[in-house]
Amino acid sequence: EPEVTQTPSHQVTQMGQEVILRCVPISNHLYFYWYRQILGQKVEFLVSFYNNEISEKSEIFDDQFSVERPDGSNFTLKIRSTKLEDSAMYFCASSAYGGQGETQYFGPGTRLLVL
Amino acid sequence: KQEVTQIPAALSVPEGENLVLNCSFTDSAIYNLQWFRQDPGKGLTSLLLIQSSQREQTSGRLNASLDKSSGRSTLYIAASQPGDSATYLCAVRQNTDKLIFGTGTRLQVFP
Repeated sequence: EPEVTQTPSHQVTQMGQEVILRCVPISNHLYFYWYRQILGQKVEFLVSFYNNEISEKSEIFDDQFSVERPDGSNFTLKIRSTKLEDSAMYFCASSAYGGQGETQYFGPGTRLLVL
Repeated sequence: KQEVTQIPAALSVPEGENLVLNCSFTDSAIYNLQWFRQDPGKGLTSLLLIQSSQREQTSGRLNASLDKSSGRSTLYIAASQPGDSATYLCAVRQNTDKLIFGTGTRLQVFP
């Protein structure tokens, strides 16, 4: 069964460093998402992406964050200058057409720790 | 602003019990509601999606119901097994791209 994959599974970085989290959505899916979950808190939406553009973003997704689809398979989240409070589990998700009746399929997550 | 709440926060039951997890939301203008399972340190596995026009969905031992007007959904797990131990999350979708998640119910099923 097709699944969303993410790399790395864990990343430790120093405050102020740039990190890039990678995702391979389910092939033939057109809509992509990033969510994050700070330890002990709810899963929160960051951004959605369609047709090489941001479709929607939350107030969390400030200028420190960017997303990109550098090729036909990968979808990345970049954090330019990490802060301690960026430590979280980051989930990538995809859906076929982004329709409101569709399931969003989630990857296993990347656990980011900022020291 | 949509708020999603799940009760109870944690539940511990013996194997074989039938159980009900609750999810409530404050704004009934939703398009769908999705139930997920999250194992410790792992990703989210989609269990069931109920459209706003539907009353329930079933998959194996799982049955999810939706009462949109009262802002409630329940996930019924029949004949629970130790392998069902996980955190169960519900999430609603409104007229945007994002899913709005609840805080989850941590379920432990002991032999």
